[in-house]
Amino acid sequence: QSALTQPRSVSGSPGQSVTISCTGTGNDIGTFNYVSWYQQYPGKAPTLIIYDVIKRPSGVPDRFSGSKSDNTASLTISGVRSEDEADYYCCSYAGSLTYVFGTGTTFTVL
Amino acid sequence: EVRLVESGGGLVQPGRSLRLSCVASGFRFEDYAMFWVRQPPGKGLEWVAMISWNSRGIGYADSVKGRFTISRDNAKDSLYLQMNSLIPEDTALYYCVKDPVTGWSGGGGFDPWGQGTRVTVSS
Repeated sequence: QSALTQPRSVSGSPGQSVTISCTGTGNDIGTFNYVSWYQQYPGKAPTLIIYDVIKRPSGVPDRFSGSKSDNTASLTISGVRSEDEADYYCCSYAGSLTYVFGTGTTFTVL
Repeated sequence: EVRLVESGGGLVQPGRSLRLSCVASGFRFEDYAMFWVRQPPGKGLEWVAMISWNSRGIGYADSVKGRFTISRDNAKDSLYLQMNSLIPEDTALYYCVKDPVTGWSGGGGFDPWGQGTRVTVSS
């Protein structure tokens, strides 16, 4: 159960599109279409923004989108806004009733 | 409105035990799988354990297997985490989290999250 690998930090200017990667293995991301993404503001609990690789919960802006290729999942923020500055975590089901989170990415709006 | 309220955290010496509780409201608790996720101070999220709606499906992170036990009481709308043989690395904010869909399948994500209860393991 090794943590999924995310870049430590990513930055982007308002209006730009940015992508955060999440790399796992054939035992988690590569096998299951159960990747989710979470947004966390300082001092707050995380909130779900993407589930099952590409699905968006109601209320989540459509500028957030997810994708997956082989053992790597990605979160794209299209048209970055200042309120998107936060920590982002990916998570994948890893089989046998277990899950694994990513190492986390701090997203900074320039 | 769905509410998850954790309790039971505190300061405990290494090797001792602690039991966390989570009281749920605003939804039919008995229909949903539940999870514990923790976050050490200043660090990232770590999945800890899960339990299916009927307690027949239980899973643990390798880091807590054999030391922690997850359980639930559907009659009391409550989730628990019994933590034994605590070590300093268990120091974290522990979140109670709900499966957003009934009939757990592995997907759906974790939503919503409680506000957490803090556990500090130190002598």
